[in-house]
Amino acid sequence: ILNVEQSPQSLHVQEGDSTNFTCSFPSSNFYALHWYRWETAKSPEALFVMTLNGDEKKKGRISATLNTKEGYSYLYIKGSQPEDSATYLCASVWNQGGKLIFGQGTELSVKP
Amino acid sequence: DTAVSQTPKYLVTQMGNDKSIKCEQNLGHDTMYWYKQDSKKFLKIMFSYNNKELIINETVPNRFSPKSPDKAHLNLHINSLELGDSAVYFCASSQALAGHNEQFFGPGTRLTVL
Repeated sequence: ILNVEQSPQSLHVQEGDSTNFTCSFPSSNFYALHWYRWETAKSPEALFVMTLNGDEKKKGRISATLNTKEGYSYLYIKGSQPEDSATYLCASVWNQGGKLIFGQGTELSVKP
Repeated sequence: DTAVSQTPKYLVTQMGNDKSIKCEQNLGHDTMYWYKQDSKKFLKIMFSYNNKELIINETVPNRFSPKSPDKAHLNLHINSLELGDSAVYFCASSQALAGHNEQFFGPGTRLTVL
């Protein structure tokens, strides 16, 4: 069974804190790893898609790394702001035309 | 302009009824998807279509029938609705089928079966 796990399930931080969370996935036949940001009452929005081992992506204060050999990805947020509050989803794909298997998400709450 | 739109946003209906949810994307994408958000809030793939052709059909009851009249539309028809069908259904699209293409999601349709 292909399973994607995210930790922690929820996270509460103060404004200005830097934070990170983890996405774990089976590494064999890995094809791609997606990160999405999902604000309450909105649709999930893509942050990054990564395919190569050692890949690092950055968008503003948010960055992500990928280790395909050991099957994990980290998402980092530097200097969290209240507007970063959302659920962060990762999803893995195991062959080129395969489906996305989503984790359960990490719910981030940033207090001013 | 909304990239991926779904109608209706809310749908409340009785058990046994037949209902449809419509999805349209104006991004010129080749591939469209239906996801169901389950009770534990996981997003699970139901179907994917590429250029109007069914590609992924998960173990979904055959009461669920997707229809793609053209590349820009993927509708979901549900027959004989059951209580367990209550969920939020999301439509999505991507440029092509390959798994390295990011997906663009619609706003979701909250279906409540009474």
